[in-house]
Amino acid sequence: DVKVTQSSRYLVKRTGEKVFLECVQDMDHENMFWYRQDPGLGLRLIYFSYDVKMKEKGDIPEGYSVSREKKERFSLILESASTNQTSMYLCASGVGQINTGELFFGEGSRLTVL
Amino acid sequence: GENVEQHPSTLSVQEGDSAVIKCTYSDSASNYFPWYKQELGKRPQLIIDIRSNVGEKKDQRIAVTLNKTAKHFSLHITETHPEDSAVYFCAASMGGGADGLTFGKGTHLIIQP
Repeated sequence: DVKVTQSSRYLVKRTGEKVFLECVQDMDHENMFWYRQDPGLGLRLIYFSYDVKMKEKGDIPEGYSVSREKKERFSLILESASTNQTSMYLCASGVGQINTGELFFGEGSRLTVL
Repeated sequence: GENVEQHPSTLSVQEGDSAVIKCTYSDSASNYFPWYKQELGKRPQLIIDIRSNVGEKKDQRIAVTLNKTAKHFSLHITETHPEDSAVYFCAASMGGGADGLTFGKGTHLIIQP
């Protein structure tokens, strides 16, 4: 069974803290994605990666960075968390030609920045 | 980049009736259009997708139609059940491009018993 695991379901951080969100997939997928989900705004793409050490900016990359050192792991980094980054963060992975195959999502990480 | 508009934001139908959710996209180069369902507290899951070389696709009670000329696509659910209650997201992408999958804002479908 397909599995995308996000390391933390709930996090509470303070403004200015550095935050790491980890995502691991066990399906040997080439492509991995980070989205944030906010009420009324849907899912917005932050960053994606189609290979190890490769990354591409999505629609809202400002304030975020990513790391993909191994195929199965894709990390989202908030260098200095701000209150407007309070959100639900969803990791996803997929195969095939980039953006034309099914995405498998993790359970999500709900981040609150105080 | 791509822009996807989704309507309505909330849709309430009687159990057994049909539901239709509509999306429009802006980039004529988009060629892949998936629909995801997200139940309360759960992850989004793909329910059906369509590629630009077909106009309609059906899977049991769910169907998707695509009008490339008008740049819109729709999700049709017939004979709705209570378990169809969820948030539905449409999306579009150019496939092979660098822009990623762009989602609509979602439709909260409520099935009234």
